[in-house]
Amino acid sequence: GEDVEQSLFLSVREGDSSVINCTYTDSSSTYLYWYKQEPGAGLQLLTYIFSNMDMKQDQRLTVLLNKKDKHLSLRIADTQTGDSAIYFCAEKKSVGDKIIFGKGTRLHILP
Amino acid sequence: GAVVSQHPSRVICKSGTSVKIECRSLDFQATTMFWYRQFPKQSLMLMATSNEGSKATYEQGVEKDKFLINHASLTLSTLTVTSAHPEDSSFYICSARQTSGRADTQYFGPGTRLTVL
Repeated sequence: GEDVEQSLFLSVREGDSSVINCTYTDSSSTYLYWYKQEPGAGLQLLTYIFSNMDMKQDQRLTVLLNKKDKHLSLRIADTQTGDSAIYFCAEKKSVGDKIIFGKGTRLHILP
Repeated sequence: GAVVSQHPSRVICKSGTSVKIECRSLDFQATTMFWYRQFPKQSLMLMATSNEGSKATYEQGVEKDKFLINHASLTLSTLTVTSAHPEDSSFYICSARQTSGRADTQYFGPGTRLTVL
């Protein structure tokens, strides 16, 4: 299967919390990342978590890491229209320089 | 976060011509840069890893003679698409690796939209 998997679409009402989930395969991954891509733009690094951490919070963003299940999630509190974008989960392999990306989750905000 | 620029942002060229895309890390030095290609509504496909002062490492299936990569300094990598064809039309994105303390992150440029007529 794919190295990094995430659902392709998520719709959330404005003001609610969004939770984007991701699974990865390399249990030795050192870093896990969340990137945001707006239409026609490059990728913006939102946050990252080191593999020995369980949780990281940064303002409206909360990242949870379950190493046992190789599951990563991104929670966006109080979702706003400006959060509408594609969110990519990524893992840095334990060997080499590469970062492997998921296919991205398109977050759609409902009024 | 760190800033990475790309130039040009858009380019339209005729089939058979060559196009050079520049990637610069503006506020940090990057010994390693990466070149990706993204098709519409799809994820990023890593094309090659560019190392300052040495040859690039290409991913399987990427023609090194067609996609020339040069990483001449710690802040600049270039991708030249040689003898471009319509199937080379795509969104090309570069990233620069920053390692600082325990952190190891890639910062991305804004991308270059290449259209080959």
